[in-house]
Amino acid sequence: DGGITQSPKYLFRKEGQNVTLSCEQNLNHDAMYWYRQDPGQGLRLIYYSQIVNDFQKGDIAEGYSVSREKKESFPLTVTSAQKNPTAFYLCASRARGSDTGELFFGEGSRLTVL
Amino acid sequence: AQSVTQLGSHVSVSEGALVLLRCNYSSSVPPYLFWYVQYPNQGLQLLLKYTSAATLVKGINGFEAEFKKSETSFHLTKPSAHMSDAAEYFCAVSDQSGGYQKVTFGTGTKLQVIP
Repeated sequence: DGGITQSPKYLFRKEGQNVTLSCEQNLNHDAMYWYRQDPGQGLRLIYYSQIVNDFQKGDIAEGYSVSREKKESFPLTVTSAQKNPTAFYLCASRARGSDTGELFFGEGSRLTVL
Repeated sequence: AQSVTQLGSHVSVSEGALVLLRCNYSSSVPPYLFWYVQYPNQGLQLLLKYTSAATLVKGINGFEAEFKKSETSFHLTKPSAHMSDAAEYFCAVSDQSGGYQKVTFGTGTKLQVIP
């Protein structure tokens, strides 16, 4: 079945460490997104990519980095510069030609900084 | 800039009662509107979407929403709540912004269903 796979599901990190969250999709979608979810704040856009080798900052990009070397993959690195990284991270994708903006989501990764 | 307001961060209903979750949007252009559902520690799943074809939109699991342009609203309803409807619901608006399809989410409403 086609879908989006995020890993790991749960991740613990010590302060000062970088961590990379994986996002892989086999939907053949061009656009991919990373959102951060905190209780009571909805989803906030971190980065997005519309095509391979191109990506743009979202609303809260500071302390995060991404790459888009393959269409299927859009990993997110949470760096030590991110002041409050504990959150639930969601990866999403959108099909080419989907001008409605409908997004397909992965199951999420919960990051806890100890 | 587009925005979405969901009234009530928590809503409780009895099993079998009407579910009404409120969503108001602001957008400078005709929007596309969505309702997503999220179960604990899972991703978001699309419930329904408005794309201007019809103002009353039917979705999965018996949910529906009505687009009212004059009220800039897109409230989600279900005639009879089921225990399995307990989840968090997000309203979202999408339009073209800066050359890409920007999606803005509301802050979510947690629905509790009381037996």
